[in-house]
Amino acid sequence: AQSVTQLGSHVSVSEGALVLLRCNYSSSVPPYLFWYVQYPNQGLQLLLKYTSAATLVKGINGFEAEFKKSETSFHLTKPSAHMSDAAEYFCAVRPRGTYKYIFGTGTRLKVLA
Amino acid sequence: NAGVTQTPKFQVLKTGQSMTLQCAQDMNHNSMYWYRQDPGMGLRLIYYSASEGTTDKGEVPNGYNVSRLNKREFSLRLESAAPSQTSVYFCASSEEPANTGELFFGEGSRLTVL
Repeated sequence: AQSVTQLGSHVSVSEGALVLLRCNYSSSVPPYLFWYVQYPNQGLQLLLKYTSAATLVKGINGFEAEFKKSETSFHLTKPSAHMSDAAEYFCAVRPRGTYKYIFGTGTRLKVLA
Repeated sequence: NAGVTQTPKFQVLKTGQSMTLQCAQDMNHNSMYWYRQDPGMGLRLIYYSASEGTTDKGEVPNGYNVSRLNKREFSLRLESAAPSQTSVYFCASSEEPANTGELFFGEGSRLTVL
């Protein structure tokens, strides 16, 4: 069965530092891939998605992610962290030909002043 | 534009009581979903509905029932609530999956079962 692994349930970075949140999927056929962000007491909102066009995907708030088929990865990055980036981030996949979206367990990002 | 609306936002139940969580979307989406979110476990799919008139089990369907009332509305029912169902529940909808649409989420319903 398809699965999603997010390494690191908690990540701390200093303001202005690089943000790197890791996501790996298990599938021989690349699925559709998504990153969502959740702020406290809110629902999830889409940051970016990969749908087999460009492998480097740009999203909102300066985030981007690179799809690497050989590594079955879709890591999320941002060059310079801002205090407002503190939130929980979820990687999700949707296997092609299905209606199911499968989520990772989430990474809580803390930004230190 | 309201998007996905869930009610109620908060609910406290006693073990054995029943309740229904309501969800409505105004984006004309075909697919709708119910997830539960628990600390350290991410979001787990309870049920989904690919289109009006169809529903399918997700990863954790036990103890829940759903109804796709029409294209807009998808309700989740707990017939006999248990403490293990204490969670935050999210309803979501998506465009036709063939269009690689993403999920749009409601703000969540926080349920506590005592």
